[in-house]
Amino acid sequence: QITLKESGPTLVKPTQTLTLTCTFSGFSLTTSGMGVGWIRQPPGKALEWLALIHWDGGKRYSPSLNSRLTITSDTSKNQVVLRLTNMDPVDTATYHCAHIGAANVLFNYWGQGILVTVSS
Amino acid sequence: AIQLTQSPSSLSASVGDRVSITCRASQDISTALAWYQQKPGKAPNLLIYDASSLETGVPSRFSGSGSETDFTLTISSLQPEDFATYYCQQFNSYPLTFGGGTKVEIK
Repeated sequence: QITLKESGPTLVKPTQTLTLTCTFSGFSLTTSGMGVGWIRQPPGKALEWLALIHWDGGKRYSPSLNSRLTITSDTSKNQVVLRLTNMDPVDTATYHCAHIGAANVLFNYWGQGILVTVSS
Repeated sequence: AIQLTQSPSSLSASVGDRVSITCRASQDISTALAWYQQKPGKAPNLLIYDASSLETGVPSRFSGSGSETDFTLTISSLQPEDFATYYCQQFNSYPLTFGGGTKVEIK
């Protein structure tokens, strides 16, 4: 059974760096084809893909946020960490991590999400 | 980036109705398209992948079709638990992109 859970601050100030951790179980990020992605959703708005990391260490980022994003993994802890610098109120959103299966780059298991509010 | 345009953005339907949602890609994505269902306050749930393949455990009243730039999600007989927002996602190329969503409401 694959599960994922996001953790981190729910309130950050403008200009601060957001660090979110995705802790997962039921699969290993060292298994060929596996991956973990991050997707966010501002309140009442659509989904937006942010970043992903593959089993081989390959990383991909959304071009619109590329300069602000960093994704890393700790395979010994079954964790993936997302960092987003220079937070702004427009970054207020629910942030989800999700499992990527071997066949395609789509998200077949999701974490419940964490609502992050950016406000001074 | 490939843009995905969903229509309609919302619709009202009754239990038992046949409902179709379309997703148009700004360029050819072959069949590299997925559909998700999202209920309020919950994470999205994968319904369809590769444009027409039903994810394990998803009821057979859901179906997907299309290729290249035009795709459709169909619910053959709408059930009370199907009232939700539906999103398409392309995985043909990076950056991965989602459609703007279609909210299915009770008439």
